[in-house]
Order: sequence, then structure tokens, then C-alpha cells
Amino acid sequence: NAGVTQTPKFQVLKTGQSMTLQCAQDMNHEYMSWYRQDPGMGLRLIHYSVGAGITDQGEVPNGYNVSRSTTEDFPLRLLSAAPSQTSVYFCASSYGTGSYNSPLHFGNGTRLTVT
Amino acid sequence: AQSVTQLDSQVPVFEEAPVELRCNYSSSVSVYLFWYVQYPNQGLQLLLKYLSGSTLVKGINGFEAEFNKSQTSFHLRKPSVHISDTAEYFCAVPYGGSQGNLIFGKGTKLSVKP
Repeated sequence: NAGVTQTPKFQVLKTGQSMTLQCAQDMNHEYMSWYRQDPGMGLRLIHYSVGAGITDQGEVPNGYNVSRSTTEDFPLRLLSAAPSQTSVYFCASSYGTGSYNSPLHFGNGTRLTVT
Repeated sequence: AQSVTQLDSQVPVFEEAPVELRCNYSSSVSVYLFWYVQYPNQGLQLLLKYLSGSTLVKGINGFEAEFNKSQTSFHLRKPSVHISDTAEYFCAVPYGGSQGNLIFGKGTKLSVKP
């Protein structure tokens, strides 16, 4: 099983450039989410989705867009990258529409640097 | 709003010694608590969770945690650590909006030395 797959693993952007971080899962999970991890800050929720066509904001949504056209894919878009978006980004999914009984399955992360 | 505080950013320990990683929470609603582990260059994986019932929760890799309502704590313990336990450990509580959303603490880096 591939689980949660994130691409690319590393990316360097210049300020103002746009890009899409890809996330795909093959476990038929309805719930998917994006977190960013910064040193000393833990992980913070950016956006989440409880099914195809349904997305909502988390703690730190500004500067990011998401969409969910299929159950498998949940891309994260940076429309105009800023140095403050330098971070490691994690995609996660879980069974159903999200349940405390079901663990989050994380991808291995995308390390983004904005110069 | 719910939140968690991890009291130690780094914990060095020798192999086969016991370890305790501390987590305090604040919550005005039902308490659900989680510990996740992140090995180097990987995503997080669930160690254990408290939803209800017994206050002593056992997880994977020999870890356990005790829910203490009076002290609002959920400390993680292991009686004898291995080199392979070197990782970063995160305590988490629900964020809201969906039962999949979590708020994570800032993490504790456990470094096990030979």
C-alpha cells in the first residue's frame, strides 16, 4: 500500500511564484488535511476536507487554496509564495469523515523554501 | 478553545533508562488526547490515544500515558528506551470542525544516547 503520497519532496520558489503541492491517498479515506510544520511551532492545520467537493479552513489558511475534486487527491495551492511560507508541509488522511477513533495517516512531507 | 503545552522541548536520555515526556492540556469540553511520534524525515504516526475509560493508556513500541484530570496532564512514559526511540513526540487535542482536526503541541525531541 502506498498510503499518503506527497510530491514533490523538496521545492525552492522565489517570492511571488505559484505552485501546487500534490497529495494523494489510496485508502479511500474521506477526510484529508494539510498541516505546516515550523521549528518550535509543532504542526498547524491549514485546510481540511471531509469529502469530495467539501473543504474548510483550519488555523492558518491565509495564502493557501485547496480543492477536492476526487476522494483520492487533495492539492494545496500557493498563489503567490512569500518567505513566511517556508516550511515543511504534511498531508494527512483518515477513515470516514474524520473520527477520533481513526488515526491520521501522514505523508512524508514536502520541504518548501521561498527566497 | 483547546490547547496543549509540552513542557520540554528536548529530553536527552541514556539507552535503557526510563523516560517521561510531559503534556498539559486545557479544555472546557470533553477531553480527547493523543500522542504522535515523528521519526527523522518522516510523517507522524499515532502512538496512543485517550478517548474515555481507563486513565492508563497503552500504545505501540512499549509507550504508555496516563490521563490525569485533576492535573490536566497526559504524560507519556516508557520504562526502558532504545536508540530507535529517538524521535520527536507530539501531544495533540481536537481542534474542532471535524473529528479529524487536531491541535498539536510544539513537540519534544527525545534523544537516546548509547
